[in-house]
Amino acid sequence: NAGVMQNPRHLVRRRGQEARLRCSPMKGHSHVYWYRQLPEEGLKFMVYLQKENIIDESGMPKERFSAEFPKEGPSILRIQQVVRGDSAAYFCASSPQGAQSPLHFGNGTRLTVT
Amino acid sequence: SQELEQSPQSLIVQEGKNLTINCTSSKTLYGLYWYKQKYGEGLIFLMMLQKGGEEKSHEKITAKLDEKKQQSSLHITASQPSHAGIYLCGADPDDTDKLIFGTGTRLQVFP
Repeated sequence: NAGVMQNPRHLVRRRGQEARLRCSPMKGHSHVYWYRQLPEEGLKFMVYLQKENIIDESGMPKERFSAEFPKEGPSILRIQQVVRGDSAAYFCASSPQGAQSPLHFGNGTRLTVT
Repeated sequence: SQELEQSPQSLIVQEGKNLTINCTSSKTLYGLYWYKQKYGEGLIFLMMLQKGGEEKSHEKITAKLDEKKQQSSLHITASQPSHAGIYLCGADPDDTDKLIFGTGTRLQVFP
């Protein structure tokens, strides 16, 4: 039973380019969370999605960031026109029941903006 | 504002020593989770506490949630180098299915 799969593991983008981060939840999980972790900082909530719906995006920057979780396929976190401050580790987590059951985390995507 | 405060921020202990990490909230918590993160990896679920006064143990790690459900502690007995990592508490303080995390405690265990 595969865990949460994130790809790519490492992503390098130049300023102004787009970054697309993918997350395949565990089988049977319809709740997906995205978090950002800056160096030496904690894990910051970004967005919570269920299939085809954004439930809570209170942690997402208002511009350049978007997330989706389509009926078929992985959840995507998209960052347009990346800036150096976007460099961070982005983690995805999934669960079968939102925060009522433990979240299972992927190994993250480390985004470096040059 | 940070809703979950962890202390200490970092801890260096000698192998074999006991240690405690604390997690405090100003709000009543609807579920409290403890996770461990190793460098460069994702978070590994350790334990979940839901009821006031609840205590759970797994191997040498014990977690407790106070009666008011606003403070939790994680205790490691006879620490080993394999316990090294970052420990994070997570909770849903507003009961909205949005899980937030504390700032983490970095634990180092030296032989």
